[in-house]
Amino acid sequence: GEDVEQSLFLSVREGDSSVINCTYTDSSSTYLYWYKQEPGAGLQLLTYIFSNMDMKQDQRLTVLLNKKDKHLSLRIADTQTGDSAIYFCAESPGAGSYQLTFGKGTKLSVIP
Amino acid sequence: ETGVTQSPTHLIKTRGQQVTLRCSSQSGHNTVSWYQQALGQGPQFIFQYYREEENGRGNFPPRFSGLQFPNYSSELNVNALELDDSALYLCASSSASHQETQYFGPGTRLLVL
Repeated sequence: GEDVEQSLFLSVREGDSSVINCTYTDSSSTYLYWYKQEPGAGLQLLTYIFSNMDMKQDQRLTVLLNKKDKHLSLRIADTQTGDSAIYFCAESPGAGSYQLTFGKGTKLSVIP
Repeated sequence: ETGVTQSPTHLIKTRGQQVTLRCSSQSGHNTVSWYQQALGQGPQFIFQYYREEENGRGNFPPRFSGLQFPNYSSELNVNALELDDSALYLCASSSASHQETQYFGPGTRLLVL
């Protein structure tokens, strides 16, 4: 079945860049997503990338996709304390089936 | 434009009871999905509703059931509650033209004792 793997923890200093990595196994994944979850809250869609793209940039966020290696990364430039949260990688097959398969999440801690 | 809302925010039940959770979709969205997020885990897909019909189901037993109403709001019903059903239940909605983008509500935290 589908599987999405992420490292569980990442700690960075305020002002540095953060890079959160994710690998997935389903070669039919059409869309890949990054969601952010703050304590006690729901999920906030940060960005997503279509599988025929290599990169997507949105303000401080850069998503890189290596489809050959099934590797997705999220880079947050100039990381702020407000970026402290759990970041989930997710994939969906698309084409009529948009159910999301999530990783376990990476907890990002930003040190002032 | 209002976002996805869910009620109640918190709920405590005992084993064997039944529970109904509610979700109102974001304005203009006609597809609703439900997810279960156990503590320390990523969300797991339960099922999706489109135009009041179930349109995909994850690996959950039949005691998890749902409804979608003509106004696109939705319910998740869980019968015969078990301790392992304790989790955050998340609802997400999307529009027919952009089904790839799902927007989540704040969730209902269910505790089964």
